[in-house]
Amino acid sequence: QVQLQESGPGLVKPSETLSLTCFVSGDSITSYYWTWIRQPPGKGLEWIGYVHSSGNTKYNPSLNSRVTISVDTSKNQFSLRLTSVTAADTAVYYCARGTHRFVYWGQGILVTVSS
Amino acid sequence: DIQMTQSPSSLSASIGDRVTITCQASQDINYFVTWYQKKPGKAPKLLIYDASNVETGVPSRFSGGGSGTDFTFSIRSLQPEDIATYYCQQYGDFPRTFGQGTKVEI
Repeated sequence: QVQLQESGPGLVKPSETLSLTCFVSGDSITSYYWTWIRQPPGKGLEWIGYVHSSGNTKYNPSLNSRVTISVDTSKNQFSLRLTSVTAADTAVYYCARGTHRFVYWGQGILVTVSS
Repeated sequence: DIQMTQSPSSLSASIGDRVTITCQASQDINYFVTWYQKKPGKAPKLLIYDASNVETGVPSRFSGGGSGTDFTFSIRSLQPEDIATYYCQQYGDFPRTFGQGTKVEI
């Protein structure tokens, strides 16, 4: 059974870096692409980007200069790094498997950007 | 970016009603559309992929259709557990984009 679990700080200060990790169990991280998606409070879903175990990445141009998604195959996990955060980055962040249709998701982690 | 214009933004229906939601893409995306159900505090659940294919384990009252730029999602007989927000999503191009969501209420 494939399971994804996000982890990381729930509170980040403005201008600092948001860092989240998604641990994958029940599947090898080398087999698929892995994606981050977020949902600001009261708003819709936004695709952030994906990573493959080969290191191949693709990001949303709206975040391109601030986002890095990486993979650690030894730990079967992948990570999101978003720099220079503002209140607009406050959201529930989800990790998911795949690049186009997302069957498996983490439960989501709320990250609040506030001083 | 491909814009996905979803309507209505909300609707109220009765148990047993047929509910239909539409999504219009800003450019031709073939049949590369999925539909998700989102409940508060839960991750989205994939219901439909490739515009009309029902995901394994999803009740048959859910259906989807369309191609090109115009897509529909229907619930044949609304059940209490279907109260949620529904989103379309395109994967015809990057970045992947979602519709604004349709909140379905009783």
